[in-house]
Amino acid sequence: AQSVAQPEDQVNVAEGNPLTVKCTYSVSGNPYLFWYVQYPNRGLQFLLKYITGDNLVKGSYGFEAEFNKSQTSFHLKKPSALVSDSALYFCAVRDLDGSGNTGKLIFGQGTTLQVKP
Amino acid sequence: DGGITQSPKYLFRKEGQNVTLSCEQNLNHDAMYWYRQDPGQGLRLIYYSQIVNDFQKGDIAEGYSVSREKKESFPLTVTSAQKNPTAFYLCASSGTGSATQYFGPGTRLTVL
Repeated sequence: AQSVAQPEDQVNVAEGNPLTVKCTYSVSGNPYLFWYVQYPNRGLQFLLKYITGDNLVKGSYGFEAEFNKSQTSFHLKKPSALVSDSALYFCAVRDLDGSGNTGKLIFGQGTTLQVKP
Repeated sequence: DGGITQSPKYLFRKEGQNVTLSCEQNLNHDAMYWYRQDPGQGLRLIYYSQIVNDFQKGDIAEGYSVSREKKESFPLTVTSAQKNPTAFYLCASSGTGSATQYFGPGTRLTVL
């Protein structure tokens, strides 16, 4: 069964410093991996995805993520954090069943990013 | 202005009442999804539909019902059988062959 884990409930970083939000996955076959961001009382916004190709994926708002097959990780990164990046971040993996792609996503528990001025 | 809309933004329900949450999309997406979000529990899938007039149960379908009579609409009914319905409800959609889901702004349901 597919699964995804976000080992940190909260990440604290100072404004201007680099940030990393961690995600590890377990899938059968090639993973489709996603990052979403959620601001309070809002829906999720798509940031980026990895399907195939370059292991470093660039997304919205200056975020990027690095796919590491050997470590089964897909960590979200940003070189210089902004206070406005403070939000809840979700990692997700495409779900597959015996017949193939279900179209469903499996989400991690979320990581709260707190960027302090 | 393309996207996914959910209404109402806030909804209050008395115990024993059924309520229906609206989800509409003009993205021409085939697939639509309903999630429930509780603090500290991430998103849990309630129902999903990959095509009109067809839908499947997700992980927590008990106490909920859906319909998919039109491609652009996927309403969710929270029935009185749902014992703990207070939560934030999110609707999403995705296009054919794409696993990327796009989300609506959500409906916060509170049972009084």
